[in-house]
Amino acid sequence: GAVVSQHPSWVICKSGTSVKIECRSLDFQATTMFWYRQFPKQSLMLMATSNEGSKATYEQGVEKDKFLINHASLTLSTLTVTSAHPEDSSFYICSARAGVNYGYTFGSGTRLTVV
Amino acid sequence: KQEVTQIPAALSVPEGENLVLNCSFTDSAIYNLQWFRQDPGKGLTSLLLIQSSQREQTSGRLNASLDKSSGRSTLYIAASQPGDSATYLCAVRLSGNKLVFGAGTILRVKS
Repeated sequence: GAVVSQHPSWVICKSGTSVKIECRSLDFQATTMFWYRQFPKQSLMLMATSNEGSKATYEQGVEKDKFLINHASLTLSTLTVTSAHPEDSSFYICSARAGVNYGYTFGSGTRLTVV
Repeated sequence: KQEVTQIPAALSVPEGENLVLNCSFTDSAIYNLQWFRQDPGKGLTSLLLIQSSQREQTSGRLNASLDKSSGRSTLYIAASQPGDSATYLCAVRLSGNKLVFGAGTILRVKS
């Protein structure tokens, strides 16, 4: 149980375009989901907390207009990288928790390359 | 500010060895600690979750301990196999559902 599906697994886009990444909880409902960014050979950095039915909470230094988060249902959160630039190229991972006493389950990640 | 440190940064061992990965955190006010495995280019796979009230958890060849008062956790891997090669991450959960990760230990088990 507690499976999180992330799509796409990789994407290449041109500078200036927008890219949407989806994160779904398959067998549980998640009122809260989390979006992380990981640079090569570094650990995960929390970008924002996605809240179902309300605005996301962004970590300090993360541009909310750049990284749009929508959590329209209890099983789906999306991260849209707007007007992408090469420096946005990174590995993005989402996570969710099935319940209060559960650990966090992570998606398989999305490798974004902006050319 | 909570900081999580993992030692060693990298480890290379021959197959069959028992090994210990270390994780330390600066603030003992945690809800739980979770160990993950990450294969190259992949997401994270949860290995063990230790609640703040627990001392250890076991799953197969893996055993994780937690000493909250001293801010330490260890992940013990018995009889290591080449398939154990991966990056191992520990993370502590703070209030507000926030996870703070260590930088990871890159493990290579040689056949």
